[in-house]
Amino acid sequence: AQSVTQPDIHITVSEGASLELRCNYSYGATPYLFWYVQSPGQGLQLLLKYFSGDTLVQGIKGFEAEFKRSQSSFNLRKPSVHWSDAAEYFCAVGEIGGGADGLTFGKGTHLIIQP
Amino acid sequence: DAMVIQNPRYQVTQFGKPVTLSCSQTLNHNVMYWYQQKSSQAPKLLFHYYDKDFNNEADTPDNFQSRRPNTSFCFLDIRSPGLGDAAMYLCATSRVEAGEFADTQYFGPGTRLTVL
Repeated sequence: AQSVTQPDIHITVSEGASLELRCNYSYGATPYLFWYVQSPGQGLQLLLKYFSGDTLVQGIKGFEAEFKRSQSSFNLRKPSVHWSDAAEYFCAVGEIGGGADGLTFGKGTHLIIQP
Repeated sequence: DAMVIQNPRYQVTQFGKPVTLSCSQTLNHNVMYWYQQKSSQAPKLLFHYYDKDFNNEADTPDNFQSRRPNTSFCFLDIRSPGLGDAAMYLCATSRVEAGEFADTQYFGPGTRLTVL
């Protein structure tokens, strides 16, 4: 079964600084990978996804992520964070050929933005 | 805008009193999912409907049931809520073509359930 590890429970970044959130997955083949963001009391909003092709994917709100097969990683980056980026970030993996099976989520990384 | 709608946004129930949460979608997606998210935890899949076919996760308690009367609506029924069932319940939808992986899952805003 696939699994997702987000090793950082909390990350604090100064406004305007760069950001990298880590995500590692365990899966026997090429997975489908997602990053979602969740503001307090809200549902999940898709930031970006990787299905195939270019390993550097661009998302909304200035986020990007890079799929590295050799490291089983799909880290999320942003060059300059804004206070509105403070939220919970979830990495998720889906199974190729899984049909309608649900996603497996990591435990999330809580992003705090310092003024 | 096409979207996933959940009602109510906040639900308070008493221990053991049945409760129903509602999800509707205007995306015309053929798959609808229910996830449970407890405080500071990742969403956990409870079950999903692929068209009319119900698919239960192996570790979903029998206390949780679901109904999908039509493409647009899906309900989560908790027959006898316990204190441990207090959580955010997220509905999601996606479109699956036969034999393919589901496309992106689109989530509703969630219903926060409190059990007194």
